[in-house]
Amino acid sequence: DTGVSQNPRHKITKRGQNVTFRCDPISEHNRLYWYRQTLGQGPEFLTYFQNEAQLEKSRLLSDRFSAERPKGSFSTLEIQRTEQGDSAMYLCASTTDGGGAENGYTFGSGTRLTVV
Amino acid sequence: AQSVAQPEDQVNVAEGNPLTVKCTYSVSGNPYLFWYVQYPNRGLQFLLKYITGDNLVKGSYGFEAEFNKSQTSFHLKKPSALVSDSALYFCAVRDVSGGSYIPTFGRGTSLIVHP
Repeated sequence: DTGVSQNPRHKITKRGQNVTFRCDPISEHNRLYWYRQTLGQGPEFLTYFQNEAQLEKSRLLSDRFSAERPKGSFSTLEIQRTEQGDSAMYLCASTTDGGGAENGYTFGSGTRLTVV
Repeated sequence: AQSVAQPEDQVNVAEGNPLTVKCTYSVSGNPYLFWYVQYPNRGLQFLLKYITGDNLVKGSYGFEAEFNKSQTSFHLKKPSALVSDSALYFCAVRDVSGGSYIPTFGRGTSLIVHP
């Protein structure tokens, strides 16, 4: 297993277009998280899944954002009608612990979104 | 509510000298504390954590951190810095009794180790 994989690495899109990112977690990890990171800031939590269930969503996650984790394996994050303020690095992380983040997250390399 | 502060945007240290990257936190209950490192255009890598037990925690790449409950701090340390330690460092906290399973990350501290 090579860790958490995110695709694409980079995405440039025009304002108003829809984009979708994919995250493949470590196979035995049951919890999967999405974070957003902008320049000069730490990661901001967006949402997380335990298996296929979406258990928590941040207030940062507007109606234009949706995430899925069908069958509890890979996850997708979709942004509809992108805005310039959506430009950021989108990070995915997974963990195998039974509750919380006691074992620490394993992060992917991220998808950098640029909205022009 | 839980929060974490990294008071220094940047820390400069000469190679071979000891380094400290500061982190303070605020929780209403007991904290779980973490340090992560981020290299350019990469995701975050886990360095170490404090859950319970000894206040001095040892982690990857020779890093350690000391949990100080009275000062609500969790500073990252290394006895002898390497140029390759230059990176962004993030502290994170989760309030164990706060009801959320999501750690909050600090803004990050850029560590620059000069040859």
